[in-house]
This record gives sequence, C-alpha cells and structure tokens, in this order.
Amino acid sequence: QSVLTQPPSVSGAPGQRVTISCTGSSSNIGASFHVHWYQQVPGTAPKLLIFDNNNRPSGVPDRFSGSKSGTSASLAITGLQAEDEADYYCQSYDRSLTASVFGSGTKVTVL
Amino acid sequence: EVQLVQSGGGLVKPGESLRLSCAGSGFSRLRFTDYYLTWVRQAPGKGLEWVGHIKNKADGLTTEYAAPVKGRFIISKDESTDTLFLQMTSLRSEDTAVYYCITEYFYYFLHWGQGALVTVSS
Repeated sequence: QSVLTQPPSVSGAPGQRVTISCTGSSSNIGASFHVHWYQQVPGTAPKLLIFDNNNRPSGVPDRFSGSKSGTSASLAITGLQAEDEADYYCQSYDRSLTASVFGSGTKVTVL
Repeated sequence: EVQLVQSGGGLVKPGESLRLSCAGSGFSRLRFTDYYLTWVRQAPGKGLEWVGHIKNKADGLTTEYAAPVKGRFIISKDESTDTLFLQMTSLRSEDTAVYYCITEYFYYFLHWGQGALVTVSS
C-alpha cells in the first residue's frame, strides 16, 4: 500500500492533454514537502521529470508541467505523444515515517 | 556526462548476504559524494520503494533506512573511489527487486544507476 495514491492508468489520443493526480496527507504533501515526478519507460531506470512541484530539469519538454495544492499534486502532459507512453510516479517526503515516499504509479497509454 | 554504474546483483538463497556497488563518474559542479546517496528498489511488476540513504559529509554522513530493511541493510560509501555500497544481510524473498542507486538533491532523485536485479529464492 503506497503512501501516495495515484490512479493506476490514464489514456489519451495523440495531441490530447492528460493529468495524473497524486494524493497524500498532512504528514507529507500537506506538510509543505515538495512533490517530484518521475517517468519510467518499461525496462529502464526512472528519470526525473519534475522537481519541487513545478520545475523541469534541463531537457524535459515543456509539455510536462506540475502543480500542487493542499494534500495533492498533479502532473499534466499536453500534446500527448507516442513516446510519452510510460509509468509515472510521484514522490515526496513523509515526516511521520521520516522517509521519502512514492506514489503507486500511473501507466499512461497513448491510444 | 554523469554516470552511475552498478554491479553486484544476482541470485541468493533466503538468509544469505549480498553487496551491491555503484560507481559514480562525470560529476562536475558537485562531486558524487557531495550528494546524499540513496537506494531505491522495485519489486517485479511493482512500484518504487525507498530503501535508505547516506548523507553527505556536511550533514554528518549519517544513514537512514526504511522500516522493512532496518537492521539488515547497511549503506556505506568510499569517497576515495566515488563508490556507494549496499550491504544486504538476512535476505528474504520479499527483498527480490531491482535496486537503483541514486544521487539525492534536496529530497528529489536526480541521477539514477541502471539498476541491479537481486533475486532471493531457494
């Protein structure tokens, strides 16, 4: 059971916009800890996609954006492309567990 | 180009031990050991799970572990060779996973190794 909750899957046609939610609690996201997002293409290591809620590392397309409000966060992908098909994980820090925690992961399918 | 190259995975029996290594190279602005160095694992077909980390020298080189591995796993590093280690003892079937070494920067995971598969089975 993951500390952060994500939908198991989302899908969209090429060019569409999809969003992935990440729901936490008052001991992690709600405690003002930042949320970060990772993209994992099957068979490869995860890659940092968004850090500190809404910042993109160099090289990440601006089609990817993040937001955070209260005890939840979201990742949006606009102009969906076939190469975006992957698993996406949110991550934050939990002060009760004194540990980094991940979401359960969301599989994005491009129809 | 930053690279984290992992080695040491394999098949072991329950109760046995195994050590993973992770060699860092290509760092410029910050050295490999200036980061917190972290291990994350992923069981087959499952999500990501934080295993633990070792802090940098500025923060006392202390280690922290996730509850399932505390007392069985030890994280260490050799600053002279820019190598991170994960010593795993009393391995259980539920420790079967791909283990990733990572540089951690202000609670997010920046550079990832290629992963090492550890299989615990009799």
